[in-house]
Amino acid sequence: AQSVSQHNHHVILSEAASLELGCNYSYGGTVNLFWYVQYPGQHLQLLLKYFSGDPLVKGIKGFEAEFIKSKFSFNLRKPSVQWSDTAEYFCAVRPVNQFYFGTGTSLTVIP
Amino acid sequence: DTGVSQDPRHKITKRGQNVTFRCDPISEHNRLYWYRQTLGQGPEFLTYFQNEAQLEKSRLLSDRFSAERPKGSFSTLEIQRTEQGDSAMYLCASSRLAGGDRNYGYTFGSGTRLTVV
Repeated sequence: AQSVSQHNHHVILSEAASLELGCNYSYGGTVNLFWYVQYPGQHLQLLLKYFSGDPLVKGIKGFEAEFIKSKFSFNLRKPSVQWSDTAEYFCAVRPVNQFYFGTGTSLTVIP
Repeated sequence: DTGVSQDPRHKITKRGQNVTFRCDPISEHNRLYWYRQTLGQGPEFLTYFQNEAQLEKSRLLSDRFSAERPKGSFSTLEIQRTEQGDSAMYLCASSRLAGGDRNYGYTFGSGTRLTVV
């Protein structure tokens, strides 16, 4: 069965700190990979996605993610976080039609 | 706002009652998905439609749950004889067919939060 693991459940950072959120998935075939963000009280929004090509993907708001096929990983990074990045972050894979989401990482950025 | 709309935003119901939620997708999107999100978890797939046809249902969709998309536009999700375990956020998303949404991904609605008391 497909699964997505997010290693960090809750991360607390100070502004300007660097961020890396881990995501590993289990699926033997080709998958599309995504990171979604959910700000408090808002709907899920797409941060970035990977389908093929350059494994380093850049998204909105300065986020990027690197797909490492050999490690089945798709970690999210940002060099310098801001208070406005406080949100829930979800990694997701989509083998065919439906998404499989991780349990999410709650990020709190302290001003 | 041309995003995905869900109604109501919140619903509180007594155990055993029936509830119905509505989702209005982006107009040119022919695929519509329902997910459920419980506290501390990521969204879990329930079912999806391509136009009016329901193409896939998750094992999470018990026989108390039914979803429809009668005219290939809006969709409804009904839960009969609600149980406390049904308390969750119910998310709707829409997309174009696989070729189109390869570039655009899904668009999620804000969800309907169901509380069963």
